[in-house]
Amino acid sequence: EAEVAQSPRYKITEKSQAVAFWCDPISGHATLYWYRQILGQGPELLVQFQDESVVDDSQLPKDRFSAERLKGVDSTLKIQPAELGDSAMYLCASSRPYRDRPTGELFFGEGSRLTVL
Amino acid sequence: RKEVEQDPGPFNVPEGATVAFNCTYSNSASQSFFWYRQDCRKEPKLLMSVYSSGNEDGRFTAQLNRASQYISLLIRDSKLSDSATYLCVVKGEYGNKLVFGAGTILRVKS
Repeated sequence: EAEVAQSPRYKITEKSQAVAFWCDPISGHATLYWYRQILGQGPELLVQFQDESVVDDSQLPKDRFSAERLKGVDSTLKIQPAELGDSAMYLCASSRPYRDRPTGELFFGEGSRLTVL
Repeated sequence: RKEVEQDPGPFNVPEGATVAFNCTYSNSASQSFFWYRQDCRKEPKLLMSVYSSGNEDGRFTAQLNRASQYISLLIRDSKLSDSATYLCVVKGEYGNKLVFGAGTILRVKS
């Protein structure tokens, strides 16, 4: 079982509905990432947090996606409204504090699989 | 052009075979390189880092060629349990952004 907690594991929704995913990273990990992985492709970074601040959201479709990490610990990724093309695995990951010059090792959660009908 | 490109495979090999994967990256300023492994319907996990001088971890050897901008992963004496998708990962010049390739599928058969 992954140390990064994510919920829900599976979500089926209809298009135009709202959906939210939650992530609790490994304790003490300052950097948190949300990745989207479409079947047959590699994970694509949506947003990266350093503590509570967004450091990269260049690939986040901001018209429908939002992410927050208010207290610098757990995080929520929201999609509203969901579209058919949003069907994918949403992976949360965390890494060690930046000041420790992270090795590049990301610790992933088990993911939240979204199906939009 | 994608930042990180891999042959998707699948590579179908018998147990005991040696298999190699290559990966090319487009950003010459990339600083760090990694191989991750992802089992079917599971999360990716770090397999090994790739150092400029090349590095080995048991049956796995990773090489970096900065001049040609590619990295490689060699697996010797393949095991059934090596069956997975191998993701090439590149870290950019600044920050902690890791860019993943699409992955190469390996199937080891008895």
